Amino acid sequence: GAGVSQSPSNKVTEKGKDVELRCDPISGHTALYWYRQSLGQGLEFLIYFQGNSAPDKSGLPSDRFSAERTGGSVSTLTIQRTQQEDSAVYLCASSSTENTEAFFGQGTRLTVV
Amino acid sequence: GENVEQHPSTLSVQEGDSAVIKCTYSDSASNYFPWYKQELGKRPQLIIDIRSNVGEKKDQRIAVTLNKTAKHFSLHITETQPEDSAVYFCAARWEGGGADGLTFGKGTHLIIQP
Repeated sequence: GAGVSQSPSNKVTEKGKDVELRCDPISGHTALYWYRQSLGQGLEFLIYFQGNSAPDKSGLPSDRFSAERTGGSVSTLTIQRTQQEDSAVYLCASSSTENTEAFFGQGTRLTVV
Repeated sequence: GENVEQHPSTLSVQEGDSAVIKCTYSDSASNYFPWYKQELGKRPQLIIDIRSNVGEKKDQRIAVTLNKTAKHFSLHITETQPEDSAVYFCAARWEGGGADGLTFGKGTHLIIQP
């Protein structure tokens, strides 16, 4: 595909369940970002992957959140024991280097009920 | 890490007037400053960016200025049109601990009044 692809586009889950959100970056992009956007709010940084470097996890809000990036391409964001405050749109972005345009996916809208 | 402050949070201007959104950053090592536009229900998209080796960049009705000494940069939109209504995010790239990334401001909701 030509752009960043995220799946699922929508996810409704019960409180306490685990969820996995997937991001397929643009082919060849070495940098991958996860952000969280609550309704009407800004872009909250979660985690950043750059090539083979150790990821910057400084934005993860709690130990219930984790992310991995396999083979330097696809990334999965996992939220364990989901809480209602986890409800938000989770956006993934990728770029070819740190200093060029970051392209965003369409996001995954997570609703915890 | 980097900290980006953005003002105002909401800006309402008459169609045809100019709009200015301002951001400050904390890390003097930052060298890349993009601006993103997010229309309702859509993903953020880059509209203009500036690097630290220049002080101003223009693209038709939009321009960005950078003051490295003061660590602030601004987005200027002239002759605003209804389609300019959106949320605008500034961002800055910081370096530290071997990890680089993009930190966003909290966004400005720009409303163009007809």
